[in-house]
Amino acid sequence: EAQVTQNPRYLITVTGKKLTVTCSQNMNHEYMSWYRQDPGLGLRQIYYSMNVEVTDKGDVPEGYKVSRKEKRNFPLILESPSPNQTSLYFCASSRREGVYEQYFGPGTRLTVT
Amino acid sequence: AQTVTQSQPEMSVQEAETVTLSCTYDTSENNYYLFWYKQPPSRQMILVIRQEAYKQQNATENRFSVNFQKAAKSFSLKISDSQLGDTAMYFCAFMKPIMWGAQKLVFGQGTRLTINP
Repeated sequence: EAQVTQNPRYLITVTGKKLTVTCSQNMNHEYMSWYRQDPGLGLRQIYYSMNVEVTDKGDVPEGYKVSRKEKRNFPLILESPSPNQTSLYFCASSRREGVYEQYFGPGTRLTVT
Repeated sequence: AQTVTQSQPEMSVQEAETVTLSCTYDTSENNYYLFWYKQPPSRQMILVIRQEAYKQQNATENRFSVNFQKAAKSFSLKISDSQLGDTAMYFCAFMKPIMWGAQKLVFGQGTRLTINP
């Protein structure tokens, strides 16, 4: 089954404790992206990657890091989480050309206390 | 920078009625794509319908159709014969392909739609 997986689905952590949210896709997509969803703001792009070892900032990259060492994986790293990073996070992937449909993961609910 | 505006934070209709969700966007681009995504209580983002800006014909998918007005920069979603399963948050999104395969989805704030029995 074609899918994007994220782990963990729920996470409660404390300020300053480094964490990683994993994202993996099995569709051989070149393009992957991270979004955060906040009430009243919709989804906003954090980082994106056009292929292995190629990443760039989205609209709200402060406080986040990403890496793309393998085509299928695109982890999101919060090195020193703060309460304003409490949000719902989505990973998405798509082909680089053609249909431009982005497939979303199930979401990760992160709470930073 | 592109912006997407959904002016209806919440809507509520009776089952079997028709409902229209509004979306406007701001761009100077000529080639772009527009999407409506559905987010049910499960939080999964589900693509409902897609419209290519170069196509004049409005997209339809079963009970879902759009009214795409390019000059007015308007992209509304019509749901006919609404069902209880249509209850969800609906997001309008704009996408402009960038060089080297980069893509960026810009989302509206969302409209929470409730279908009442």
